[in-house]
Amino acid sequence: GQQLNQSPQSMFIQEGEDVSMNCTSSSIFNTWLWYKQDPGEGPVLLIALYKAGELTSNGRLTAQFGITRKDSFLNISASIPSDVGIYFCAAPAYSGAGSYQLTFGKGTKLSVIP
Amino acid sequence: DTGVSQDPRHKITKRGQNVTFRCDPISEHNRLYWYRQTLGQGPEFLTYFQNEAQLEKSRLLSDRFSAERPKGSFSTLEIQRTEQGDSAMYLCASSPGQGRLNTEAFFGQGTRLTVV
Repeated sequence: GQQLNQSPQSMFIQEGEDVSMNCTSSSIFNTWLWYKQDPGEGPVLLIALYKAGELTSNGRLTAQFGITRKDSFLNISASIPSDVGIYFCAAPAYSGAGSYQLTFGKGTKLSVIP
Repeated sequence: DTGVSQDPRHKITKRGQNVTFRCDPISEHNRLYWYRQTLGQGPEFLTYFQNEAQLEKSRLLSDRFSAERPKGSFSTLEIQRTEQGDSAMYLCASSPGQGRLNTEAFFGQGTRLTVV
C-alpha cells in the first residue's frame, strides 16, 4: 500500500528557532495535508495543498507541495511552546467509492525547550 | 461548538465485552470516516459513509466491528468481544462532499479505548 515517510521522527528545538520537516512518498498525490495532534486529542488540520509547487502559509506555518508531487515540506518559524505536538502529513487517495481515504505518515514529534 | 464530536472520550473495558462509540459530524458534511490510531502511528482508515450508506470498509475492520449511520447524521462504531489488540484511539472525521474540500477531513477528539 501507499506509505508516507516523515522525517525527522522527533526533534528538540529552542524556543524561537525555526523548524523544518518533510514527508515523502513513492506515489504521486494531488493533495497534501498537514495536521497537528496534541496528546489525547484528534488531529487538527493546519494546511492543505492542492497544486505542485504551491506554497501556502498559515500564520507562522508554511507548507510546500513538492514539484514531483511525491513530497511536501512544513516549516514553522519562530517556534513557541504551544507548537509542541506531533505533526502528521497526510495524502488522500480516491478509493473509487466516492471516498478519499487519507494515508498518514508516522508523524514528527516536536518538543520546544523554553 | 460546530466541530466533530465524539463520545465517550475514554472507555476502559474488560476483554470480551462489547463497546459502542458515537460520532456527530459537522452538520453540513455528508461524508463520515472512522480511523484507528495506535501509539506511535498515524491514523489508519477503517470505514467510510456517504450519507447513510457505508461505501467502504478497510481490511482492518474485522467482523467484530460494525458501523452504522442510520439517518445520515451521527454514526456509531461497535466492537464486539473486545480483545487487547483493540486498544487504540478511535477517530471520527467528516468532510464536505464538494470540490477540493472533499479531500479535507476534520477530526473529532477521539475515543481512547483500553481493553484490560
